[in-house]
Amino acid sequence: RKEVEQDPGPFNVPEGATVAFNCTYSNSASQSFFWYRQDCRKEPKLLMSVYSSGNEDGRFTAQLNRASQYISLLIRDSKLSDSATYLCVVRGLSGSARQLTFGSGTQLTVLP
Amino acid sequence: DAGITQSPRHKVTETGTPVTLRCHQTENHRYMYWYRQDPGHGLRLIHYSYGVKDTDKGEVSDGYSVSRSKTEDFLLTLESATSSQTSVYFCAHRTGLNTEAFFGQGTRLTVV
Repeated sequence: RKEVEQDPGPFNVPEGATVAFNCTYSNSASQSFFWYRQDCRKEPKLLMSVYSSGNEDGRFTAQLNRASQYISLLIRDSKLSDSATYLCVVRGLSGSARQLTFGSGTQLTVLP
Repeated sequence: DAGITQSPRHKVTETGTPVTLRCHQTENHRYMYWYRQDPGHGLRLIHYSYGVKDTDKGEVSDGYSVSRSKTEDFLLTLESATSSQTSVYFCAHRTGLNTEAFFGQGTRLTVV
């Protein structure tokens, strides 16, 4: 079982739609959680951190469910520019587990 | 600008030759990482460094070595390149172990 699992998609949605991605992680001791965005043939860039109480940044909302070991990303009012691959990232508690572990990504295409 | 650059950006090399990729950061960050990204696998950690001359192996370190003689430079060497090492290589740095990572623009390496 992969440490961090995501639905690879692709998700094809019309402009203005709301879309949600989920990500599950296997290590219950994981400490920090992030969503990254990666455009085609570019480097990953931090989209937002995910906090225990959930957090929002404009059209983006991230949620963490520690009991079920998943995090989610909700994008409202999708824009063409949201088309990208979204990577779920988890950090462990100690030792080498403090490294960041990346999911394989969920591909989103927003259609005009 | 994440303050981190990689060179070369593209390279084609022959099987069996040694290859060195360079990562240079201007932020004086202690923590640096090398990842490879392949379809279906996401980003996988090759080696990481917690400071000058302090390096350790990641998940997929076989066939790779690293060196960090200065804070700003982290070198990745493929000792004898194989076709399975054809990939996109990303370098990253972090300000601390509890923080997100910032990535370089990547190096596309093709081993023929």
